[in-house]
Amino acid sequence: GQNIDQPTEMTATEGAIVQINCTYQTSGFNGLFWYQQHAGEAPTFLSYNVLDGLEEKGRFSSFLSRSKGYSYLLLKELQMKDSASYLCAVRDINYQLIWGAGTKLIIKP
Amino acid sequence: EAGVVQSPRYKIIEKKQPVAFWCNPISGHNTLYWYRQNLGQGPELLIRYENEEAVDDSQLPKDRFSAERLKGVDSTLKIQPAELGDSAVYLCASSSPGTAAYEQYFGPGTRLTVT
Repeated sequence: GQNIDQPTEMTATEGAIVQINCTYQTSGFNGLFWYQQHAGEAPTFLSYNVLDGLEEKGRFSSFLSRSKGYSYLLLKELQMKDSASYLCAVRDINYQLIWGAGTKLIIKP
Repeated sequence: EAGVVQSPRYKIIEKKQPVAFWCNPISGHNTLYWYRQNLGQGPELLIRYENEEAVDDSQLPKDRFSAERLKGVDSTLKIQPAELGDSAVYLCASSSPGTAAYEQYFGPGTRLTVT
């Protein structure tokens, strides 16, 4: 079956750095996405990786290793507004998105 | 550019009643998705449209759920009759092959409570 694993919850301090990991087993691979979802709101697109390596976008970076079925989202200079759930999703061989359950990130002052 | 529009935002109904959700995707986006999301879970795909054609409805509970996208633009998702287990957030998303990642853009969702 297809599976995406990510930690249920993480806590970090304002101004610090946090890394959210995601491992996947899917039928084929056509890209990996990270979405941010604030409580009660819709998911919003953060990043996309289809080749191995690091993609940097401001305070957020996303890394992919296809051979290891592994990705991480790195958030730097954490702000209180970064408190949200972070969803990892993989596009499979049928171009369908397989979603993880999300990691709830709690930022403390 | 306007985002994905959904209505209503909230709906409370009694079990066995019908309910309908409406979605208008981003202009020019030919792919439209309906998802269901339960608390603490990722979105679960119900149906995907390419223009007016449903290309993936394998996870749509067809005994009670139906959807349509008649002119390949806006779409309606219906539940009849609703059950207690249908309480969830129903999300609509759209995408376009014109973007590099073909990423999906989500509407604000409809929070359904079945009592």
